[in-house]
Amino acid sequence: NAGVTQTPKFQVLKTGQSMTLQCAQDMNHEYMSWYRQDPGMGLRLIHYSVGAGITDQGEVPNGYNVSRSTTEDFPLRLLSAAPSQTSVYFCASSHTGGSGANVLTFGAGSRLTVL
Amino acid sequence: QKEVEQDPGPLSVPEGAIVSLNCTYSNSAFQYFMWYRQYSRKGPELLMYTYSSGNKEDGRFTAQVDKSSKYISLFIRDSQPSDSATYLCAGGDNRLAFGKGNQVVVIP
Repeated sequence: NAGVTQTPKFQVLKTGQSMTLQCAQDMNHEYMSWYRQDPGMGLRLIHYSVGAGITDQGEVPNGYNVSRSTTEDFPLRLLSAAPSQTSVYFCASSHTGGSGANVLTFGAGSRLTVL
Repeated sequence: QKEVEQDPGPLSVPEGAIVSLNCTYSNSAFQYFMWYRQYSRKGPELLMYTYSSGNKEDGRFTAQVDKSSKYISLFIRDSQPSDSATYLCAGGDNRLAFGKGNQVVVIP
């Protein structure tokens, strides 16, 4: 049981490049989300999904794109990387029936540097 | 204004001391409150969560929620060097809002 797996762990991009951060979970969780963590800012929600085919924006969605074609996978796409997107990105998932505690299981993180 | 406010100042305590961490929140609709622990260069992991107001105890850890004052607290008794980590408070239901986190260092 791997939990939430994120790849890559580290990535360096040049401004304007695009890339996809991968996230997969093997717990059959309906809910998946992406956060970014920056010093002094805490965890901020980028996008989330409550099930396959359903996505919605979080607090800081600009510059990012997501899709959810399967229950297991929730990739995060950076369309044209900017230095302001230098951050640590966390994918998280949870089982929730629409009510109750959204107890998130986090991945180990992906450290992205944009030059 | 962030929905969950947590003073991010680092906290250093000697081993065996009681660690007290606090957060405030603004959304009165929040029903669930959580504490996550994050070790350096790792993902956050759930420490404990509470529903509505009240206390919850798990070993050396106690979480308190006072909905009347919108206050969330975490107490760590008999702190150990292994408790050195960043502690994140969170509130919400389907969508969680996180505080900025408190870095705690327990000195042997």
